Amino acid sequence: GENVEQHPSTLSVQEGDSAVIKCTYSDSASNYFPWYKQELGKGPQLIIDIRSNVGEKKDQRIAVTLNKTAKHFSLHITETQPEDSAVYFCRSGGSNYKLTFGKGTLLTVNP
Amino acid sequence: EPEVTQTPSHQVTQMGQEVILRCVPISNHLYFYWYRQILGQKVEFLVSFYNNEISEKSEIFDDQFSVERPDGSNFTLKIRSTKLEDSAMYFCASSGTSGSPPEQFFGPGTRLTVL
Repeated sequence: GENVEQHPSTLSVQEGDSAVIKCTYSDSASNYFPWYKQELGKGPQLIIDIRSNVGEKKDQRIAVTLNKTAKHFSLHITETQPEDSAVYFCRSGGSNYKLTFGKGTLLTVNP
Repeated sequence: EPEVTQTPSHQVTQMGQEVILRCVPISNHLYFYWYRQILGQKVEFLVSFYNNEISEKSEIFDDQFSVERPDGSNFTLKIRSTKLEDSAMYFCASSGTSGSPPEQFFGPGTRLTVL
């Protein structure tokens, strides 16, 4: 089955700096790569996703890049704000609910 | 904004006891799921449910687990005889039919502690 590795497990940045979280996957057939944000006391919430037919997708301060050859994808958050502090999960797999989760990254944005 | 809700937020039980975790999916969704996350580990798929039956389950979802949609709003996960290793955060999710795949909406989770 698919194996997803996510790094780093914790990340601390200063407000205004950029944050990058990386995931690698093992299954070359994987074609859907969503990212989730989980705030304290809430469930994971989809924030951005990318499919294998594109290399980059951007939504305001959030972007995701995909390198299919190297089998890795990354979440980029620019101009970080304290409200970006949360746990971020990547997922990888086919277009179904059985996508494999990464272990999560605790992002802390310091004011 | 509609959201998935779960109760209780924290459940403590003795080993061997039965527990029922409850979820109220988003009202017009048709697909329902349970996931679990053991502390420090990844979120893992347990089961999916559609049209009043299980559509798929993982190897984790053995005979000790069952799911039910007893009425038009609740979706439950029952663990018949809890084991210590069942201690985890359990997430319910639901999705509609549009999108490929349809976006999953997750509840806040129930933390199950088996003593």
